[in-house]
Amino acid sequence: EIVLTQSPGTLSLSPGERATLSCRASQSVSSSYLAWYQQKPGQAPRLLIYDASSRATGIPDRFRGSGSGTDFTLTISRLEPEDFAVYYCQQYGRSMYTFGQGTKLEIK
Amino acid sequence: QLQLQESGPGLVKPSETLSLTCTVSGGSISSSHYYWGWIRQPPGKGLEWIGSFYYSGSTYYNPSLENRVAVSVDTSKNQFSLKLSSVTAADTAVYFCARHDFLKWFDPWGQGTLVTVSS
Repeated sequence: EIVLTQSPGTLSLSPGERATLSCRASQSVSSSYLAWYQQKPGQAPRLLIYDASSRATGIPDRFRGSGSGTDFTLTISRLEPEDFAVYYCQQYGRSMYTFGQGTKLEIK
Repeated sequence: QLQLQESGPGLVKPSETLSLTCTVSGGSISSSHYYWGWIRQPPGKGLEWIGSFYYSGSTYYNPSLENRVAVSVDTSKNQFSLKLSSVTAADTAVYFCARHDFLKWFDPWGQGTLVTVSS
């Protein structure tokens, strides 16, 4: 099983700032099969990024995914008020899907 | 637009079987190359994939749950179901259904339904 570790656990920033979220895998994620989701309270996760760097339909270009192997990053270039939420990474390179424990992005 | 909606009892007693249904609208559950899965999230915690299936009958499960899990499909109703047996308080969670390609990301998701295991 590939274990995904996200850091930091909580990130406190202000609107307009840049956010950098990390996801590290316990072993290499094949073919960069990694996704990022955003979840707001009481809602289902929303797909942001797939295949490590491809934006899902309708996702603003301030969201950027990067990385390969065991180290992946989600960057939000200029935080909007609606971006404050919990973010999860997920790998799907093996027939056992796993998620990171999440990073909470909160307003400073 | 494809939509998924979970339904089922919100309260289950310990040692009993949790049963949930996901109803799909705006598309066919028999669409080729799509899988359908269940994911859960204990209150205040992260996400855990439970299992997935293909409409033709192929299923695969999280090894940590596979001895208690069964996923089935009713193509006539465009629904699929989850059964989790011998539940304990640790199975209390919001349960989501979602669509995915094989070894791909989950999208879209249902809104989720909270199931509490308690006597």
